Amino acid sequence: GEQVEQRPPHLSVREGDSAVITCTYTDPNSYYFFWYKQEPGASLQLLMKVFSSTEINEGQGFTVLLNKKDKRLSLNLTAAHPGDSAAYFCAVRRYNQGKLIFGQGTKLSIKP
Amino acid sequence: DAGVTQTPRHEVAEKGQTIILKCEPVSGHNDLFWYRQTKIQGLELLSYFRSKSLMEDGGAFKDRFKAEMLNSSFSTLKIQPTEPKDSAVYLCASSLLGYEQYFGPGTRLTVL
Repeated sequence: GEQVEQRPPHLSVREGDSAVITCTYTDPNSYYFFWYKQEPGASLQLLMKVFSSTEINEGQGFTVLLNKKDKRLSLNLTAAHPGDSAAYFCAVRRYNQGKLIFGQGTKLSIKP
Repeated sequence: DAGVTQTPRHEVAEKGQTIILKCEPVSGHNDLFWYRQTKIQGLELLSYFRSKSLMEDGGAFKDRFKAEMLNSSFSTLKIQPTEPKDSAVYLCASSLLGYEQYFGPGTRLTVL
């Protein structure tokens, strides 16, 4: 079945620096992609959803890139700030399925 | 709109007990998911319902885990009997027709 590998498992960057988290997936039929943020002790919060027709999506302070050829999804945080400290999870879904396949997560720490 | 609600937020059980966790999805959502989250295994799908029909039952969890949708706005997850290795955070999520999933706050289960 579909596998999603997320790297790195831990990431520490200084405030103001950029951070990149990458997920690779195996199923070429993956069509919907999601990034979730989980702050300590809290549940998962949807950060961004990406459809396979769009390769670049921008949010507040971050950009999501989708490379369908390489089956790679990345979350790029620009100018990290303390509020970005959290665990981040990517998730993928096939066009005709409801369930999500999650990556293993990345724990991001922002140093002052 | 109310989000996904889960009760209780914390549960402590003795080994061998039966516990029931509850979830109310976002009003109007027709997909409901139960996940287990641990630091080692990450997010694991336990059950997936679409319009109250069970679509997927996590194979490794069939023995002692049983999820039900009593109606379109209420679901339960029963663990019987509990074991210490069941200690985890149990998350409920809902979505509309398989699009982005919205997660509840979770139930932290501790089995002694």
